[in-house]
Amino acid sequence: GEEVAQTPKHLVRGEGQKAKLYCAPIKGHSYVFWYQQVLKNEFKFLISFQNENVFDETGMPKERFSAKCLPNSPCSLEIQATKLEDSAVYFCASSHDRALYGYTFGSGTRLTVV
Amino acid sequence: GESVGLHLPTLSVQEGDNSIINCAYSNSASDYFIWYKQESGKGPQFIIDIRSNMDKRQGQRVTVLLNKTVKHLSLQIAATQPGDSAVYFCAEGTGTASKLTFGTGTRLQVTL
Repeated sequence: GEEVAQTPKHLVRGEGQKAKLYCAPIKGHSYVFWYQQVLKNEFKFLISFQNENVFDETGMPKERFSAKCLPNSPCSLEIQATKLEDSAVYFCASSHDRALYGYTFGSGTRLTVV
Repeated sequence: GESVGLHLPTLSVQEGDNSIINCAYSNSASDYFIWYKQESGKGPQFIIDIRSNMDKRQGQRVTVLLNKTVKHLSLQIAATQPGDSAVYFCAEGTGTASKLTFGTGTRLQVTL
């Protein structure tokens, strides 16, 4: 399709629980990016993929966060043992190359840790 | 509703007036810049971009100006409409990496 599909739209987890977020990029796009938006303001880059390979993971927290993009499956972002400060909206974006006109964001997953 | 963005800089303009949203960027090595519009509950929507070898680019009702000397970017919206009400973000990137660094958003409120 022509949109980046993120599921679920909302996710509530108790502290210490696992959270898993999914992203289906636009068909034909080879790059996938994950961003975290806190307080509807700051965007923090987490990780990017070129197809199923990690392209840039400089923004990923060293602990508890992991991500995958496997062939024929939605990409995923997983947070083990969630903390209150993980509460944010997580956006996925995809691009067919590094050119910015192809950089399309999904609608995000709002994670609330209680 | 969402009690977010309470501390965002806000620009209020009347419908039909022109809007100018400013952004200071940090990395002198950045070679492309983008403006995004974010409406409540949605992801950022691409508005316009500009490469560092340009100082101005125009789209439909929007113009982006780039001043590399002072590392300043602006978005001009002509004849602002109620549908332009949103939070606007600038973002910068480099040719060697695909990630974007976002600036602080500005809330645009269009009054009738």
